[in-house]
Amino acid sequence: NAGVTQTPKFQVLKTGQSMTLQCAQDMNHEYMSWYRQDPGMGLRLIHYSVGAGITDQGEVPNGYNVSRSTTEDFPLRLLSAAPSQTSVYFCASRPGPAIHGYTFGSGTRLTVV
Amino acid sequence: ELKVEQNPLFLSMQEGKNYTIYCNYSTTSDRLYWYRQDPGKSLESLFVLLSNGAVKQEGRLMASLDTKARLSTLHITAAVHDLSATYFCAVDMTSGSRLTFGEGTQLTVNP
Repeated sequence: NAGVTQTPKFQVLKTGQSMTLQCAQDMNHEYMSWYRQDPGMGLRLIHYSVGAGITDQGEVPNGYNVSRSTTEDFPLRLLSAAPSQTSVYFCASRPGPAIHGYTFGSGTRLTVV
Repeated sequence: ELKVEQNPLFLSMQEGKNYTIYCNYSTTSDRLYWYRQDPGKSLESLFVLLSNGAVKQEGRLMASLDTKARLSTLHITAAVHDLSATYFCAVDMTSGSRLTFGEGTQLTVNP
């Protein structure tokens, strides 16, 4: 039982490049989310999903795409990287509504130069 | 739009002392979560508070929720160095599918 697995752990991109941050969970959780963490700003929600085939935008969705073709995987795509997307990205999952907290992955530290 | 505010944002305290971190939020909700983050690490779930008046305790930490005041507190008793970390509160606005986080409180416990 690996929990929430994020890859890669570190990535450096050039402005304009695209890439996909991977997130997988093996707990059969319905809900999955992507957050970015910037100094002094807490965590901000990018996109989230309440089940396979269902996604929605969070607070800061611009420049990012997601899809949820399976329960296990929830990749985050950066379409054309910008320096403003330099951040630490966390994927999180939970079984369903309310009573459980989210389980977070270990994070991906992304630098866009 | 839901806003979540924590104070203080920075807290330096001596070992053995008590202190409280406050988390205020702007919209009615009865679900609030506390997380801990060590430098360079992920977030660890500390407490899940699901109703008005809920109180949870684990070791030297105790969390409570007052939904009428839209306020949660995280009380630290007899602090020890191992409690040094950043603490976040987060609030569910809808059915639990999305959390809104506070800015975090960076706690340093000095010998």
